[in-house]
Order: sequence, then C-alpha cells, then structure tokens
Amino acid sequence: DIVMTQSPDSLAVSLGERATINCKSSQSVLYSSNNKNYLGWYQQKPGQPPKLLIYWASTRESGVPDRFSGSGSGTDFTLTIGSLQAEDVAVYYCQQYYTPPHSFGQGTKLEIK
Amino acid sequence: QVQLVQSGAEVKKPGASVKVSCKASGYTFTNYGISWVRQAPGQGPEWMGWINTYNGNTNYAQKFQGRVTMTTDTSTSTAYMELRSLTSDDTAVYYCARSIVGAYEDYWGQGTLVTVSS
Repeated sequence: DIVMTQSPDSLAVSLGERATINCKSSQSVLYSSNNKNYLGWYQQKPGQPPKLLIYWASTRESGVPDRFSGSGSGTDFTLTIGSLQAEDVAVYYCQQYYTPPHSFGQGTKLEIK
Repeated sequence: QVQLVQSGAEVKKPGASVKVSCKASGYTFTNYGISWVRQAPGQGPEWMGWINTYNGNTNYAQKFQGRVTMTTDTSTSTAYMELRSLTSDDTAVYYCARSIVGAYEDYWGQGTLVTVSS
C-alpha cells in the first residue's frame, strides 16, 4: 500500500498570511502514460464530510477559492493557501488515487495564530 | 444539484452486521462510481473500496476483503455497503462518495455513524 505522510501535523498561521502543507507519498503517484499525478487535497471541518479542493495535484475543484493551490509531482506535493481566511480553519488531507487502497495522509490541522 | 443521502445512525453489537445505504440524485448514477470511506473518532479517513455502478465491479481494500460487500440498485440510484463481523474497531462514521471512475471523490454523503458496543 502507498503510505501518505503529511507535514506538519498542525499549523498556526495569522489571518492574511500564507499557509503551506506538505504531503509525501511512499512511491510515485505520477502515471507516465497520461502525465497526471493521482493526488487530491481535501478540507474537513468538524461534523462535515471531507470537501474536495484539488485533484490531479493542481486542478482546483469548481467553486474553490483561488487562494487554494496545489503543486508538486511524483512523490512530493504541496497545498498552499495564499491568504488565510477565518473560514479556512479545518483539517486538510491529501489522498492518492494511483492505486487501491486510495490512502489518505494523517491530516494537518490548520488554526489561526 | 448532486446529492448523496445516507441512512441513519446504527448501533450494533459485536459480531453483528450493518448495511448502510446511499441514495444519489442530481446526476446519472451509472456514469460515476461510488466509493465508501470511513472515519473513526478523531482519526483520518480510511478508504474501504469502490463499486462501478455501471457493471457492478468492485475493488475492496485488502483490509476489508471477505467482510465487506458493496452493491447498487440502479433502479433507485442507491448504493449499499454491508460490513459483517463487527468489532468495536469498526465504530466510525461511514461515508459514501461519488467517484470519478477509479479516481478522486468529488461529492460526499453526510455520513452514517455506526457504533459497535456490547
């Protein structure tokens, strides 16, 4: 199974500042035949299901604010929140869907400093 | 609009089975797969498996092989997940999610809390 490891486990950032969350996979999730990284990012608030933010590592889901961006390839990925808003307080998860089981990272808890 | 509405909370005894339903609306059911993901209290999500709603093919995580069955009723656009031989470790919120075939999950149900307790 592919193991997804996120860093840091928790993060406190001031409003308006940038937040960066990292995700590393134990093997590459880049599919060479289509040059796509099989990596997504989700946001989860208490009592709610995960919400898809980013897929194919860098494609923003419809309706997601453009302050959210994804980057990286192969085994190393980053979710960046360009200017933190109060409503961004949540736990963020990366997930690989390159091969079953589609494993998630352990999560990064984002708070306001 | 796309909606996935799950059945209500369940309380089960160890050794019992649970069957959770997920009724989809707002899209063509057989054009997308359905994944099942669970989340134990205070833990991250755990992907359990996926069903191709067009042909019924399934792909279960090895951890659940032999203990889980995912099915669909295309006449009612409803997916089902049955988990057998429950233990306290199966206490979790169970989610269904619409799956872009073999890829990410874009819409999620509200979750069904399954509590296993003697």
